[in-house]
Amino acid sequence: EIVLTQSPGTLSLSPGERATLSCRASQSVSSRHLVWYQQKPGQAPRLLIYGASSRATGIPDRFSGSGSGTDFTLTISGLEPEDFVVYYCQQFDSSPYTFGQGTKLEIK
Amino acid sequence: QVQLVESGGGVVQPGRSLRLSCAASGFTFTDSNFGMHWVRQAPGKGLEWVAVVSYDGNIKYYADSVKGRFTISRDQSKYTLDLQMSGLRAEDTAVYYCARYKDATGLDYWGRGTLVSVSS
Repeated sequence: EIVLTQSPGTLSLSPGERATLSCRASQSVSSRHLVWYQQKPGQAPRLLIYGASSRATGIPDRFSGSGSGTDFTLTISGLEPEDFVVYYCQQFDSSPYTFGQGTKLEIK
Repeated sequence: QVQLVESGGGVVQPGRSLRLSCAASGFTFTDSNFGMHWVRQAPGKGLEWVAVVSYDGNIKYYADSVKGRFTISRDQSKYTLDLQMSGLRAEDTAVYYCARYKDATGLDYWGRGTLVSVSS
């Protein structure tokens, strides 16, 4: 099973700042199969990034993804108030299609 | 527009069974690009992947935590996805989401979820 470890668990920043979220895999994951989601309280997750770096439909360009192998990053440039929620990575390289434990972005 | 609507959640005693359904609309359910997944989220916790079924129903995978107890299936004529859950445990308590997997993309559409509570 591929274990995804997200860090930090909680990230405290101010609106307008840049957020860097990490997702580390226990073994190499194809970039094609690494995705990021955003989840707001009381809502289902929303697909943000697929293929490690491609933005899903309707996602603002302040969200970007990068990485390869075992290290992947979600960057949010110019944080907006609505960005302070929880983010998850997931891999589709091999079953079980595991999620990371999540990173909570909170207002400093 | 794509819609996924889950149903069937509720309160159930440990050891009992429950069947969840997800009604899909707004897209061609039988398209080879679309596998279907169940994902759950325990109260206050993160997301846990549960199971997947391929577009044609022939390939199924499960999380170890549910293997042998849960069965995923899809009805191509009714555009529905099901999750038959048996031997339920307290740790199965969660909101269960169905989600569409688009090939080479990810889980691009999600339902609003249905709550399953396992308690005596």
